[in-house]
Amino acid sequence: KAGVTQTPRYLIKTRGQQVTLSCSPISGHRSVSWYQQTPGQGLQFLFEYFSETQRNKGNFPGRFSGRQFSNSRSEMNVSTLELGDSALYLCASSQGQGAMQETQYFGPGTRLLVL
Amino acid sequence: SQKIEQNSEALNIQEGKTATLTCNYTNYSPAYLQWYRQDPGRGPVFLLLIRENEKEKRKERLKVTFDTTLKQSLFHITASQPADSATYLCALEPLASGTYKYIFGTGTRLKVLA
Repeated sequence: KAGVTQTPRYLIKTRGQQVTLSCSPISGHRSVSWYQQTPGQGLQFLFEYFSETQRNKGNFPGRFSGRQFSNSRSEMNVSTLELGDSALYLCASSQGQGAMQETQYFGPGTRLLVL
Repeated sequence: SQKIEQNSEALNIQEGKTATLTCNYTNYSPAYLQWYRQDPGRGPVFLLLIRENEKEKRKERLKVTFDTTLKQSLFHITASQPADSATYLCALEPLASGTYKYIFGTGTRLKVLA
């Protein structure tokens, strides 16, 4: 089985722009979670989607949004980028009971640099 | 405040010894706790999941304990090898949380010396 894939792997944007990141989960997985990882704050939960619905949400501003498609693929969008949004964005998939209740498989991440 | 604490400093141990990593949490009553391994530049890799009604879980050379009274989980790697060198993260899902679902610790960097 192919693992979780994320595109693009690297991205450079400037302040004020918006960005869309994509995640393809493992085949058959219905839950996709997104995380932001920075050296200062560590790994922080953004949101979780299951069957095209946002099931859980972390403590991030509304500039961060996401969606899930019927094939379980997911995208996250960050609007009006700020310097502090520079981070590694990780996507993880699981079968569907809930990210902490079962094995989560992480993708390699998208490294975003905001200038 | 709500948080998870892991050994912030790197842990260096000799090959063949047992590495013990600590995960302490406050203000939570987690139903589940997970441990992950992360290598530089890569996504975390799931290692073990332990539930609140389980005291201990084992997988090959790995062992996790979960003490809900002490609010602590210990992660052990027996017969450690240089290939075990990585950052190890613990994560939990609070039973009753606001908007802070799925909370991760900052990780402990383990280095196994040959």
